[in-house]
Amino acid sequence: DVKVTQSSRYLVKRTGEKVFLECVQDMDHENMFWYRQDPGLGLRLIYFSYDVKMKEKGDIPEGYSVSREKKERFSLILESASTNQTSMYLCASSWQGRAETQYFGPGTRLLVL
Amino acid sequence: EDKVVQSPLSLVVHEGDTVTLNCSYEVTNFRSLLWYKQEKKAPTFLFMLTSSGIEKKSGRLSSILDKKELFSILNITATQTGDSAIYLCAVELYNTDKLIFGTGTRLQVFP
Repeated sequence: DVKVTQSSRYLVKRTGEKVFLECVQDMDHENMFWYRQDPGLGLRLIYFSYDVKMKEKGDIPEGYSVSREKKERFSLILESASTNQTSMYLCASSWQGRAETQYFGPGTRLLVL
Repeated sequence: EDKVVQSPLSLVVHEGDTVTLNCSYEVTNFRSLLWYKQEKKAPTFLFMLTSSGIEKKSGRLSSILDKKELFSILNITATQTGDSAIYLCAVELYNTDKLIFGTGTRLQVFP
């Protein structure tokens, strides 16, 4: 069974804190993705990684950074959390060239106070 | 700018009804269109469509793509309460593994 796991289901942080969201996949997928999901806006891509140490900005990278030191792990970092980053964060992974294999993690609901 | 638009945003029906969800797109370099179902957490894959006019079917769900008019529909017949979910449409472009998602349609099925 494909597994994409995320470190936390729910997280509450204060404005200005540094926040780490971790994602791990066990399918040896090359690609990994971070999305945020907001009502009325759908899923928006924050960052994408197609290989270890490689990353590409998505549609809304401002205020975020990422790290991929190992193939199975992709971290999303909020350097200084702000209230407008309150959202559901979804991680996904896929084989290269196989969009239909994009599997999602259960999501992390982040509240920034 | 590439975009994917879904309609309606929200739909409330009774069990047994048939529903049609719409997805239109304006993108450069279209490769495929995908449908996902999202219940309480992770979206799960339903269909991938690459060719016009060929219906994909899985039980009570079916989907078809029209590449000339740039849209797809997802049909659900004899709806059940377990069909209640957000249905997401996404478009894949050539030369990238990224997906562009629509806003989703929230379907609620009441007994």
